[in-house]
Amino acid sequence: DTGVSQDPRHKITKRGQNVTFRCDPISEHNRLYWYRQTLGQGPEFLTYFQNEAQLEKSRLLSDRFSAERPKGSFSTLEIQRTEQGDSAMYLCASSLAGQGNTGELFFGEGSRLTVL
Amino acid sequence: RKEVEQDPGPFNVPEGATVAFNCTYSNSASQSFFWYRQDCRKEPKLLMSVYSSGNEDGRFTAQLNRASQYISLLIRDSKLSDSATYLCVVNFRAGNMLTFGGGTRLMVKP
Repeated sequence: DTGVSQDPRHKITKRGQNVTFRCDPISEHNRLYWYRQTLGQGPEFLTYFQNEAQLEKSRLLSDRFSAERPKGSFSTLEIQRTEQGDSAMYLCASSLAGQGNTGELFFGEGSRLTVL
Repeated sequence: RKEVEQDPGPFNVPEGATVAFNCTYSNSASQSFFWYRQDCRKEPKLLMSVYSSGNEDGRFTAQLNRASQYISLLIRDSKLSDSATYLCVVNFRAGNMLTFGGGTRLMVKP
């Protein structure tokens, strides 16, 4: 399978714990995005990378959220001191910069977080 | 005010019906526009881009009105398989920072 893959698919944690999600984009894609989606809402932009550079992070929900893409390939999204309001689906997407304005983002199946 | 607004629905229509969804966006400097489709418990996928001149892809027609900051999607001859949530998406700036509306849910019934 050469699509975007995310791990884990489901994570249940207790309030106050830290969680980390991993995203492996389509191999030739140099742009990688993180979105959050709650029930009945559209995806909400969090941050994006071009190669290893994080070009936009102002939309990260709080300083408990951080993302990295150290080698310009896979990315991780970490949430520290989780709260019940963090429960959501975390979606990763990738695209190729040359097609940057075509709108074709390829999404993974998401990582569902439940905070108890 | 949300950056991209849609009627959440649901729109319940019989097979064969024509249905139209609308969307408004707040940023007049928006660069590009799209409709994505999201099936239940699945990831969003690009349905079609929306061009100023309007464009059609089979049973689907998209229109853009930049003056009114309004986007539409028309589905003709609805199929059961068209049941999904349709997301209006706007790119406000370079870098493909797509902003999604809340989605409009369509249910096509036999």
